[in-house]
Amino acid sequence: DAKTTQPPSMDCAEGRAANLPCNHSTISGNEYVYWYRQIHSQGPQYIIHGLKNNETNEMASLIITEDRKSSTLILPHATLRDTAVYYCIVEAGGTSYGKLTFGQGTILTVHP
Amino acid sequence: EAQVTQNPRYLITVTGKKLTVTCSQNMNHEYMSWYRQDPGLGLRQIYYSMNVEVTDKGDVPEGYKVSRKEKRNFPLILESPSPNQTSLYFCASSFSTGIYGYTFGSGTRLTVV
Repeated sequence: DAKTTQPPSMDCAEGRAANLPCNHSTISGNEYVYWYRQIHSQGPQYIIHGLKNNETNEMASLIITEDRKSSTLILPHATLRDTAVYYCIVEAGGTSYGKLTFGQGTILTVHP
Repeated sequence: EAQVTQNPRYLITVTGKKLTVTCSQNMNHEYMSWYRQDPGLGLRQIYYSMNVEVTDKGDVPEGYKVSRKEKRNFPLILESPSPNQTSLYFCASSFSTGIYGYTFGSGTRLTVV
């Protein structure tokens, strides 16, 4: 299964864009990249996912490099409520579909 | 409201006393999964189910059992709980894997003394 690497923590000023990187250099061609966030001890919340192309929804944008070995989650105008742990994960492929591996995530702190 | 419901939210029990944490989803999802979360270790998958009567081990299945007799329910069973199973547990579901996002429950905080 592909593993992901994220910085342990990042800071961002309120109103600014938050760019959270993720490295997944061993990702397979049929594996999706997912982003989730967890606020305090609540259940993780789905943000966005993608395979090859860049994706955008009402919460964020996902930029995936052409070689798919890394991606960046962009929160365009971060607010204090975006302070959370952000997880980048990849879907296990082949016969192990459904087996998800979460890394340590990135603690994003948004400052006033 | 579309959701994943876990019960109970909080549970304190004694070592060796069998317990079940229930998980139910109302979205007709095929895929369901259980995770535990511990400080410094992040979220680790315990078991998952691709459909009714189909279950498979995640990364930390020891000491746990699951069953999937109906599509909507996926209970987590601890036959003989031990203190090292004290943790925060989450259930998740999805229409399928690799295509859709996962919906997580609110969590069950279990303490085994």
